[in-house]
Amino acid sequence: NAGVTQTPKFRVLKTGQSMTLLCAQDMNHEYMYWYRQDPGMGLRLIHYSVGEGTTAKGEVPDGYNVSRLKKQNFLLGLESAAPSQTSVYFCASGQQPQHFGDGTRLSIL
Amino acid sequence: AQSVTQLGSHVSVSEGALVLLRCNYSSSVPPYLFWYVQYPNQGLQLLLKYTTGATLVKGINGFEAEFKKSETSFHLTKPSAHMSDAAEYFCAVTRSGGYNKLIFGAGTRLAVHP
Repeated sequence: NAGVTQTPKFRVLKTGQSMTLLCAQDMNHEYMYWYRQDPGMGLRLIHYSVGEGTTAKGEVPDGYNVSRLKKQNFLLGLESAAPSQTSVYFCASGQQPQHFGDGTRLSIL
Repeated sequence: AQSVTQLGSHVSVSEGALVLLRCNYSSSVPPYLFWYVQYPNQGLQLLLKYTTGATLVKGINGFEAEFKKSETSFHLTKPSAHMSDAAEYFCAVTRSGGYNKLIFGAGTRLAVHP
């Protein structure tokens, strides 16, 4: 019963580098989400997907791209990392309730 | 539009004391309400949810919450705090039908001292 799995768990990048965060879920959920968590701000939605092959912008999409080529996977990409993107990133799947992964802690120097 | 306000970013209680974490929401349609808990270096875990029906909702670890429409509140309580309850708690709101964004409060960090 893995649920939602995020890789990697930690990463340090330099400004301008690119990377991809992977989220995998084994619950056959149609809906998947990427959030970022910053102190005192709760969770803010970056992008979401309502099914394989679909993506949509959330509250704070700038600087991020996503892809949902397979139903079980939802990828979050940073094309040119900036220090403002230092955060903890959470993937979730499902609907009412959403199920969360353990997060990816990303630092950008 | 929907929104959530959690009163008190930090709450401190003694072990064995009542835990009360406050959540008020705004919603123009009947809300679905959630409480999540986040332990250090972990993701969010669902404590309980209200969708329809009984307004007093019981969750895991002895927590419960009551939906009060007249007060637009969904406060989280636990009669007797345990050291293991120390964590951050998030209230969230959404609505039924199709895709609807889950709106989170800013969170309340609960400290439990001996």
